[in-house]
Amino acid sequence: SQQGEEDPQALSIQEGENATMNCSYKTSINNLQWYRQNSGRGLVHLILIRSNEREKHSGRLRVTLDTSKKSSSLLITASRAADTASYFCATDEGNYQLIWGAGTKLIIKP
Amino acid sequence: EAQVTQNPRYLITVTGKKLTVTCSQNMNHEYMSWYRQDPGLGLRQIYYSMNVEVTDKGDVPEGYKVSRKEKRNFPLILESPSPNQTSLYFCASSPRSGSGNTIYFGEGSWLTVV
Repeated sequence: SQQGEEDPQALSIQEGENATMNCSYKTSINNLQWYRQNSGRGLVHLILIRSNEREKHSGRLRVTLDTSKKSSSLLITASRAADTASYFCATDEGNYQLIWGAGTKLIIKP
Repeated sequence: EAQVTQNPRYLITVTGKKLTVTCSQNMNHEYMSWYRQDPGLGLRQIYYSMNVEVTDKGDVPEGYKVSRKEKRNFPLILESPSPNQTSLYFCASSPRSGSGNTIYFGEGSWLTVV
């Protein structure tokens, strides 16, 4: 089953621009996490946001959560070439297991 | 350095030849799991383990076996690999089960079954 679905599937922007990607889910959640995956490498944790939180920041990353719309967004400000990667959201279904979306592929053009 | 180590990283094997992908973590994590990643399908969980001697099926367990005899190790066994098991495999661990825990991933194992 696929709980989180990222949108868009692919995004290409110029270096220095902001990148926004979205994650929608179907059922109530306890937590939502965002991960980054460089091509063919392991996933790396970015941010965890709990269902009672609306926004979290980490460096150039900003994550929002709208539980009424069952959606989350990841904003990367002032993008860099090193941000080129795939980004995944993972949600639970109110239980303890994480379910993953198919990811957004982000390309930063120099 | 805290890490999840899996081996081999790259493997080409033939149909039916048993293979094992090893996974080890040095963070004393209770929870470990195996995923496969296929284009357009995201990550799908194969098996997971909440602690030593406790394992359970994930979403796509068919054709795989696991064991958790020690806390740090969680090998993935393909008893009789088939071409549809060609995939990128990830071992992962977290302090405990639960979606509020950060998951640490290995670097992945590219498996091709011909």
